Amino acid sequence: QAGLTQPPSVSKGLRQTATLTCTGNSNNVGNEGAAWLQQHQGHPPKCLSYRDNSRPSGISERFSASRSGSTASLTITGLQPEDEADYYCSAWDNTLSGWVFGGGTKLTVL
Amino acid sequence: EVQVVESGGGLVQPGGSLRLSCETSGFTFSRSWMSWVRQAPGQGPEWVAAIQPDGSEKYYVDSVKGRFTISRDNAKNSLYLGMNSLRVEETAVYYCAGDSLAYWGQGTVVTVSS
Repeated sequence: QAGLTQPPSVSKGLRQTATLTCTGNSNNVGNEGAAWLQQHQGHPPKCLSYRDNSRPSGISERFSASRSGSTASLTITGLQPEDEADYYCSAWDNTLSGWVFGGGTKLTVL
Repeated sequence: EVQVVESGGGLVQPGGSLRLSCETSGFTFSRSWMSWVRQAPGQGPEWVAAIQPDGSEKYYVDSVKGRFTISRDNAKNSLYLGMNSLRVEETAVYYCAGDSLAYWGQGTVVTVSS
């Protein structure tokens, strides 16, 4: 099933702001919005944002999600060493009747 | 506190069967879409199956249609995945994910190998 498009890697400095993007189409991101997942090596994914911009309990306000058309974005402010991880976006696709995922962005905090 | 706990994984031969379980607490399970998502070693997550809150509609990725069955018991706040005719390439960590992927468990490892 077709996936969402994410840049493979992003590098930013400590305490800087990183914006990760996720591009889909009108059947998925453009219609239902996206969820954002953070995954550290050897650990399960953790949801940072779902249903476009709802933040699960306990997730720092440094993580904020937004959407413009069929492109979703995750902005991380005040980058910390522990933010270094893989980030995946996902959205429900109405045509495929299933969740589609992006290939992931590896965030490096310099 | 939300808790999602998967179980039932293990080593199975190609063509074999397994049944995964997922016990949840801390959110309104009976109103939540639930999914199974798997992740093969070194790969990104792959959605496998989803089920509506009342269990009336079920959805599957094409590669598992006819072999996997998702089900739920709202009285027990539990989700299940029956897997038949397993393939080597389906070796992965299988995660239970709830409420539009907001809640995830630690996963259960399924290894398909002879």
